Amino acid sequence: DAKTTQPPSMDCAEGRAANLPCNHSTISGNEYVYWYRQIHSQGPQYIIHGLKNNETNEMASLIITEDRKSSTLILPHATLRDTAVYYCIVRAGTSGSRLTFGEGTQLTVNP
Amino acid sequence: DSGVTQTPKHLITATGQRVTLRCSPRSGDLSVYWYQQSLDQGLQFLIQYYNGEERAKGNILERFSAQQFPDLHSELNLSSLELGDSALYFCASSFAGTTNEQYFGPGTRLTVT
Repeated sequence: DAKTTQPPSMDCAEGRAANLPCNHSTISGNEYVYWYRQIHSQGPQYIIHGLKNNETNEMASLIITEDRKSSTLILPHATLRDTAVYYCIVRAGTSGSRLTFGEGTQLTVNP
Repeated sequence: DSGVTQTPKHLITATGQRVTLRCSPRSGDLSVYWYQQSLDQGLQFLIQYYNGEERAKGNILERFSAQQFPDLHSELNLSSLELGDSALYFCASSFAGTTNEQYFGPGTRLTVT
């Protein structure tokens, strides 16, 4: 798995967009970027993943730079319930099995 | 709600004891994963089963074992428990054994006293 670097913490005002960055400069051509989040002591939750095109679903958008060395997870209208640790994981698409969770980014959404 | 269920939610037991944690995957999912989350270690992958067969093993202690039954539910057995085994234990499931989209249950909080 490619190494990822995320800021340890970020703050965001409720109702504003939360932009969470992830650096993955050693990403390989067959590796996807996955995002999970963990709300305090709950099970991690899959959010979104992408290879090179930008992706959007009902939860978030994922923007991957053209060189694929970094990406940004965007929560368009953050709510208090989005306060969580967000993990960026880079893996080959069909590697399956273990997910390696790093330290992630603690996002705090403030009222 | 991810569709993955885990029982019990909380478990308090003494050192040296043995416990069994149970996981029911999402309907249709064939693969089950177990993870341990302790305060000092973060989320650690333990073991994966796919359609009843062990698929991958992580840093699972020899005192721990798991199995997946024909109805696809899984059990994680922890024996000779030590204080350091106190942690959250999560089960996750996926349809295939090769996908990185895993759906996690709510976890079992184990406290060893």
